[in-house]
Amino acid sequence: DADVTQTPRNRITKTGKRIMLECSQTKGHDRMYWYRQDPGLGLRLIYYSFDVKDINKGEISDGYSVSRQAQAKFSLSLESAIPNQTALYFCASGMDDADTQYFGPGTRLTVL
Amino acid sequence: TQLLEQSPQFLSIQEGENLTVYCNSSSVFSSLQWYRQEPGEGPVLLVTVVTGGEVKKLKRLTFQFGDARKDSSLHITAAQPGDTGLYLCAGEGSYKLIFGSGTRLLVRP
Repeated sequence: DADVTQTPRNRITKTGKRIMLECSQTKGHDRMYWYRQDPGLGLRLIYYSFDVKDINKGEISDGYSVSRQAQAKFSLSLESAIPNQTALYFCASGMDDADTQYFGPGTRLTVL
Repeated sequence: TQLLEQSPQFLSIQEGENLTVYCNSSSVFSSLQWYRQEPGEGPVLLVTVVTGGEVKKLKRLTFQFGDARKDSSLHITAAQPGDTGLYLCAGEGSYKLIFGSGTRLLVRP
């Protein structure tokens, strides 16, 4: 089984809809991250969490919110989706004392 | 704001050729990582370099961290079609990773 899983893998939605992307990890990591990937822009950090009670904004948090339900679960919400949020979304987890991150398979989100 | 620039953005080469991908910044990073990403999958870590001037080898891949820890390079010797993918560098700063825009490599048989 994969160490970091994301659901759904693909989602098509309409402008204005609320969307939640879910992430689970079985590696026992305290740190979890959400990134979006756009062609030619690499991965950009949306939100990150160093433990269940710690949530931090990344470089592009506007229009997004997150919830860290447990050590193993970190969900990303788009309260009112807009077309320029169409992208690949990746969740990652990492260890406390190292900078290695383990990525999920991604969610392809299309906002019409 | 810390930025990482990768070059080239796209590279198409014949099997057996050598290539180098560059990752440059004006900022100093405590470490730098290289990831490879294949279609439909998340990035997978290839290597982490920590010390200025450090060189690491992974089979046909050679990674170097600049002396000032602001830049890095990835050299592939005798590229194979299985090397095809998106190569991303990422600098570690303030417990977060800053990613470059990536180099998309296509190795033709």
